[in-house]
Amino acid sequence: EPEVTQTPSHQVTQMGQEVILRCVPISNHLYFYWYRQILGQKVEFLVSFYNNEISEKSEIFDDQFSVERPDGSNFTLKIRSTKLEDSAMYFCASILRMGGAGANVLTFGAGSRLTVL
Amino acid sequence: GQSLEQPSEVTAVEGAIVQINCTYQTSGFYGLSWYQQHDGGAPTFLSYNALDGLEETGRFSSFLSRSDSYGYLLLQELQMKDSASYFCAVRDPGGGNKLTFGTGTQLKVEL
Repeated sequence: EPEVTQTPSHQVTQMGQEVILRCVPISNHLYFYWYRQILGQKVEFLVSFYNNEISEKSEIFDDQFSVERPDGSNFTLKIRSTKLEDSAMYFCASILRMGGAGANVLTFGAGSRLTVL
Repeated sequence: GQSLEQPSEVTAVEGAIVQINCTYQTSGFYGLSWYQQHDGGAPTFLSYNALDGLEETGRFSSFLSRSDSYGYLLLQELQMKDSASYFCAVRDPGGGNKLTFGTGTQLKVEL
C-alpha cells in the first residue's frame, strides 16, 4: 500500500537552530499538508500546499516556517530559528483529490519528532 | 472557525461496546471524519459521514446528525488493540481543504 515517508524520525536541536523536516508524499497525490501535535494534545493544522504554492496556512505558521517542494517528490518543512515551544511531532499528509468523500481521507506519514533544547 | 469537542478519556472492557461523541461548530460543513491514532503513531482514517445516519465498517460505525451538529463513533466487540486516541475531524470550506481535528478521546480497553 502506498505510504507517506518522513525523515528524520527524531531530531534533537538547540534553540535558535534551523531544522528541515522531509516528506515524500504518495506519488499520485496532489495536495500536501503539514500538521503538528504537541505531546498529549490534538493534531493542529500548519499549512496546505497545492500546485507548488501554499494554499492555506494557520496562525502557527509564522515567518519562521517555510515549505518547499524542490524536486517534484520531496516536500519539506523548514523552521528557521527553533524555539522551545516548537517541540512536537510533525506529520506530513497528502490527499489525492479535493472533491468528494476522498477529500476527507488524509494519509499521514509516521511523523518526525522534534525536540528543541 | 471550526471547533470540535470530544470527551478526553473513555474506559471500557474487552468485548464491550463503546461510543465516542463529537460535537462541532463549523462555518461550513463537508462531513465528519474519524481517525485513530495509536501511541507514537500517525493518525489513520477510519470513517466518514457526509449525510445523517449510520455508516458501518466492520466493528466500527459512525453516526452523524447535522441538525444537532453531533456525531459519534461506535466501536463494538472491543479488543485490546483498540486502545488508542480517536479524533473527529471536519473539512474546512476554505481553499486549503484542511481538516480540523477535535480534541481527541483516549480509549482504554481493559481485560
